Amino acid sequence: AQSVTQLDSHVSVSEGTPVLLRCNYSSSYSPSLFWYVQHPNKGLQLLLKYTSAATLVKGINGFEAEFKKSETSFHLTKPSAHMSDAAEYFCVVSSWGNAGNMLTFGGGTRLMVKP
Amino acid sequence: DTGVSQNPRHKITKRGQNVTFRCDPISEHNRLYWYRQTLGQGPEFLTYFQNEAQLEKSRLLSDRFSAERPKGSFSTLEIQRTEQGDSAMYLCASVPTGEGYTFGSGTRLTVV
Repeated sequence: AQSVTQLDSHVSVSEGTPVLLRCNYSSSYSPSLFWYVQHPNKGLQLLLKYTSAATLVKGINGFEAEFKKSETSFHLTKPSAHMSDAAEYFCVVSSWGNAGNMLTFGGGTRLMVKP
Repeated sequence: DTGVSQNPRHKITKRGQNVTFRCDPISEHNRLYWYRQTLGQGPEFLTYFQNEAQLEKSRLLSDRFSAERPKGSFSTLEIQRTEQGDSAMYLCASVPTGEGYTFGSGTRLTVV
């Protein structure tokens, strides 16, 4: 069974400082991992995905994540936060089976950016 | 607009009433998923269609929940005899073969 744990429910940073959102996963085989962002009253938007190619994955809006198999982690980072980054972020693992390509979401991390 | 469309955006209903939500996927996408997101949580999988066939429905939360996708185009999710615990955001996503998800903006259900 697949599972995802987001270690922080809330993260607060100042504008211009680095962002770190932590995610650990559990998977019985080599996983596909994703980060999605959800702005208020907006749909889920894919930030980046890992599918067993390069372990450092670059996404949109300056975000990147590093897959570390030994630590079963897939943390999301950004060098410098912007006010527009304030949103809910979800770490996601996918699995193939009867449900096609089913996504299992973490509980989410709310990122707050202070001016 | 070529995205995934969900209607209505918001629905307020009284406990015990039936509700139906509609999802119009991207036209060439053969797979369609429904997820539910409760306040403060990540979305959870409900059901999955490949074309018109509902291939996985064991995760539907109770027998009050049902979904259809006639002719493999739009899909509907119905909740009968709504309860306050059904209040949530209901998300639809469509997926082409071999590619990633496109989510709709969701239908927010409030049961009073």
